Amino acid sequence: EPEVTQTPSHQVTQMGQEVILRCVPISNHLYFYWYRQILGQKVEFLVSFYNNEISEKSEIFDDQFSVERPDGSNFTLKIRSTKLEDSAMYFCASRETSRLSNEQFFGPGTRLTVL
Amino acid sequence: SQQGEEDPQALSIQEGENATMNCSYKTSINNLQWYRQNSGRGLVHLILIRSNEREKHSGRLRVTLDTSKKSSSLLITASRAADTASYFCAGERNTGFQKLVFGTGTRLLVSP
Repeated sequence: EPEVTQTPSHQVTQMGQEVILRCVPISNHLYFYWYRQILGQKVEFLVSFYNNEISEKSEIFDDQFSVERPDGSNFTLKIRSTKLEDSAMYFCASRETSRLSNEQFFGPGTRLTVL
Repeated sequence: SQQGEEDPQALSIQEGENATMNCSYKTSINNLQWYRQNSGRGLVHLILIRSNEREKHSGRLRVTLDTSKKSSSLLITASRAADTASYFCAGERNTGFQKLVFGTGTRLLVSP
């Protein structure tokens, strides 16, 4: 069964460093999303991406964040200068184009720890 | 503002009992989806109910949706210890590119 994959599973970084979180969505999906979950809190929407551009972003997704689809398979989230409060689990999700199938498939997540 | 609230926040039951979790939301949705999360792990999609549906079944899961009350419930019948996890509802907004707005989650503990 096709699935969304994410790497790394755990990333530890120093405050102020840049991190890139990687995702490989399901191959025939064209809508992509990043969400995050701070420990013990709810899952929050960060950004959606379609047709090689951001379609919607939340207040959390400020200038320190960027997303990219550098090739036909990868979807990345970059945090330019990490802050302590960026420590969270980051989930990538993808969805088919068909409106008959609106399920978003989530990856296993990357746990980001900023020291 | 918080868009989704589940209750109870925590639920503890014995194996074989039924578990009912409720979810409320504030904005119009295309559909409502329920996810399961084992501690510190990823989100597993359980079931999706569209805004024009009132009830849906999948195995031991039964979901209801009341759009007039902006609420949904998830029933797990004949629970098992392996059902122990956190359960989240997520409403898919009907504006923009269908982002999901998650609730706060219910932590379910099923004791053998």
